[in-house]
Amino acid sequence: GNSVTQMEGPVTLSEEAFLTINCTYTATGYPSLFWYVQYPGEGLQLLLKATKADDKGSNKGFEATYRKETTSFHLEKGSVQVSDSAVYFCALEDFNKFYFGSGTKLNVKP
Amino acid sequence: NAGVTQTPKFRILKIGQSMTLQCTQDMNHNYMYWYRQDPGMGLKLIYYSVGAGITDKGEVPNGYNVSRSTTEDFPLRLELAAPSQTSVYFCASTHRDTNSGNTIYFGEGSWLTVV
Repeated sequence: GNSVTQMEGPVTLSEEAFLTINCTYTATGYPSLFWYVQYPGEGLQLLLKATKADDKGSNKGFEATYRKETTSFHLEKGSVQVSDSAVYFCALEDFNKFYFGSGTKLNVKP
Repeated sequence: NAGVTQTPKFRILKIGQSMTLQCTQDMNHNYMYWYRQDPGMGLKLIYYSVGAGITDKGEVPNGYNVSRSTTEDFPLRLELAAPSQTSVYFCASTHRDTNSGNTIYFGEGSWLTVV
C-alpha cells in the first residue's frame, strides 16, 4: 500500500541554520510528492511538489528532490528564519488519493 | 477567491449528539475529501468523493457519513458523537492537472470537542 514516513520532531534550529527534514515513501504506482506547511490554527498550505523522478520542487527557499531509487523526498532550506516555524507534512498522491506523514514541527529561534 | 470554506470553526458537542460539518468549494473541483487530525498526529482520510453523487470510505470512516449532491458541497455528518471523535477536521478539494499533478487545497479546519 501507500504510506509516508517522516522524521519525528520537534526540530529546533537557530536562525540562518541549515534545515533537512527527511521523508521516505512506499507506493504501489508512480505518485506525485508534496510538502505542505501548517501554521498554528490554520489549514495545510502547499509548499512545493514534484511529479516524477528526479524532479526538484522549490518555493520560498525550500527545495526537495524526488528520488525514486531511495524512495525519498527530503525537504531542505539553506538558511531558516523565525517565520519558518511551523509543522511540515510530506505527502504523496496516487490516483487522486493523498497520504500524509505525521508531520514534523520546526521551531526556529532568533 | 474563497477556495475551500468550512463551518463551523469551533464546536463543542455532548456525547450522543449529532452535527454536520459544512464544506463548500468554489474552484469547480471534482474531488473532495474529509480528513481528521488528532493532536500531534498526521491526517487520516475519513471519506472522499470523486464527483457529485459518488462517495467512498477512507481510512477511518466509522461514526461518520457524507453526501455529495452538488459539485460544490461535501458535508460531513457525525450521528452519535463520541469522545474519540474529538479532533480537528479538514475539508479539502483537488482537480486533475495533467501537466503538473494534483494539488490539494485545504479549508481552515473545524475544531470539534466531544464531552
